[in-house]
Amino acid sequence: GQSLEQPSEVTAVEGAIVQINCTYQTSGFYGLSWYQQHDGGAPTFLSYNALDGLEETGRFSSFLSRSDSYGYLLLQELQMKDSASYFCAVLTGANNLFFGTGTRLTVIP
Amino acid sequence: DSGVTQTPKHLITATGQRVTLRCSPRSGDLSVYWYQQSLDQGLQFLIQYYNGEERAKGNILERFSAQQFPDLHSELNLSSLELGDSALYFCASSGHIQGRNTGELFFGEGSRLTVL
Repeated sequence: GQSLEQPSEVTAVEGAIVQINCTYQTSGFYGLSWYQQHDGGAPTFLSYNALDGLEETGRFSSFLSRSDSYGYLLLQELQMKDSASYFCAVLTGANNLFFGTGTRLTVIP
Repeated sequence: DSGVTQTPKHLITATGQRVTLRCSPRSGDLSVYWYQQSLDQGLQFLIQYYNGEERAKGNILERFSAQQFPDLHSELNLSSLELGDSALYFCASSGHIQGRNTGELFFGEGSRLTVL
């Protein structure tokens, strides 16, 4: 089976940097994805890491270490609109994405 | 707009009843995934279809079933409904590169089911 762990809640100040960690246990690992979900909305794709290292997309970066079964999402220059839930998800050999329980990020002024 | 369409957006029904949720994937996407999200919970994978064939099953109850039709739309059937089935049901579709999921799913807006 699959198991993913991420913090349930994180609070950060507007303009700051926040890192959301994700550790996973799975068989047939192909990559790690990150999704953002605002309250009442649909999850939207942020990034995908298949290889070790850092991927940068604007204010968001995602990191993967396959040997450590660990990844993180880094959000820079936080804005109030970044308040949302963030999910990591593992892509398995069966072409499926299994999601973690999510981290609720609250950005405060 | 993700390009994935789900209907109905909201549904209220009674215990013991049966409902059908419908999903149209993005144009050109062959894979359809169904997820369940209960209040303040993560996304629980239910089932995946690829080009009309069931590809994988997650924690889908026996009371639930799904299918993908030749035009690639999919339906999720929920029967003998219980209070605990109240949740948001998301459909997602994905493209593939050489048969592999790219890690990016496109989600519909969800169908919110309330069982009373």
